[in-house]
Amino acid sequence: TQLLEQSPQFLSIQEGENLTVYCNSSSVFSSLQWYRQEPGEGPVLLVTVVTGGEVKKLKRLTFQFGDARKDSSLHITAAQPGDTGLYLCAGARSGGSNYKLTFGKGTLLTVNP
Amino acid sequence: KAGVTQTPRYLIKTRGQQVTLSCSPISGHRSVSWYQQTPGQGLQFLFEYFSETQRNKGNFPGRFSGRQFSNSRSEMNVSTLELGDSALYLCASSSAGLYLYFGPGTRLTVT
Repeated sequence: TQLLEQSPQFLSIQEGENLTVYCNSSSVFSSLQWYRQEPGEGPVLLVTVVTGGEVKKLKRLTFQFGDARKDSSLHITAAQPGDTGLYLCAGARSGGSNYKLTFGKGTLLTVNP
Repeated sequence: KAGVTQTPRYLIKTRGQQVTLSCSPISGHRSVSWYQQTPGQGLQFLFEYFSETQRNKGNFPGRFSGRQFSNSRSEMNVSTLELGDSALYLCASSSAGLYLYFGPGTRLTVT
């Protein structure tokens, strides 16, 4: 059972366009993370959202955590070729100091010049 | 600080063989997690070690095992390789298990 569903799976857009990718679950998470993975590399943590309804901005990237802490979205404004990569969301559940992360399968974004 | 390093970066093995992958975490990080990444299944959690003890384990068969040394370096071993074990194996280190710093991965191809 895939606990975190990411959509769309693939997205190909032109430079300058805006886009939103989604991460949905029926489960509640204590926090949710977004990673970007480029070809030949491991994922790199972009942001962590903790509070329901929280919005975080990282330059042209805006991340939002759903009010019920079950879903999240990533919005990119004026996408650039350097934004190309696999975007992964990961939900965290904590048991004291012991965290368990569940990853979605990712959205593969291609930004064409 | 130096990042997470994984060796080797690429590996080709034959069905039935065994393989050992190595991971050196960021200095000071005591948690090391291993993930298998395939196009069909995405990132799947194998196990996590913290201070030489396996703290969490995913749903993989017993052919997949790991260990962590006193210097926090970790190894994972896959015995009796199957074609389906072909994947990118990622190691991630963390100070507490929540914020992961991934290595570049080891690309394993089983023929």
